[in-house]
Amino acid sequence: EPEVTQTPSHQVTQMGQEVILRCVPISNHLYFYWYRQILGQKVEFLVSFYNNEISEKSEIFDDQFSVERPDGSNFTLKIRSTKLEDSAMYFCASSEWQRNTEAFFGQGTRLTVV
Amino acid sequence: AQKVTQAQTEISVVEKEDVTLDCVYETRDTTYYLFWYKQPPSGELVFLIRRNSFDEQNEISGRYSWNFQKSTSSFNFTITASQVVDSAVYFCALQDYGGSQGNLIFGKGTKLSVKP
Repeated sequence: EPEVTQTPSHQVTQMGQEVILRCVPISNHLYFYWYRQILGQKVEFLVSFYNNEISEKSEIFDDQFSVERPDGSNFTLKIRSTKLEDSAMYFCASSEWQRNTEAFFGQGTRLTVV
Repeated sequence: AQKVTQAQTEISVVEKEDVTLDCVYETRDTTYYLFWYKQPPSGELVFLIRRNSFDEQNEISGRYSWNFQKSTSSFNFTITASQVVDSAVYFCALQDYGGSQGNLIFGKGTKLSVKP
């Protein structure tokens, strides 16, 4: 069964460093998303991406965040200068259509900023 | 504004008990979609069900059933004869039609513990 894969599963980084979280969405999906879940809290939307551009972003997704689809398969989230409060589980998701379709989530990347 | 409320933070039951997880949503849209996801201790998010706002028919899938009531803006999830493997955090989510570009608005989740 096709799945969304994320690497790494866990990343520890020092405050102020840049991190890149990687995702390989399901191959025939057209819509890609990043969500964040701070430990013990709800899952929050960060950004959606379609046709090689951002289609929507939340207020969390400020200038330190960026997304890219560098090739035909990968979808990345870059955090330019990490802060302690960026520590969270980051989920990548993809869906075939924009609405009325389930989003398939990856296993998540646990980011720890120290 | 869109919002999903899962008032039950934690529920603990003994195996074979039935349990209902509540979800209440708010949206101004007349067209919207509702979802349930399961997050087991391993951390991934597993899709369980999708419902659109025009389909109020209740659904049953094995031990799982869902009760969608537009009149009360609720989309409750019942597990019949619970099992230890059902222990997880369950999230209800809303996707509206008008404003969003497909993103999901999640509730805070209900942590279900099923004890043997």
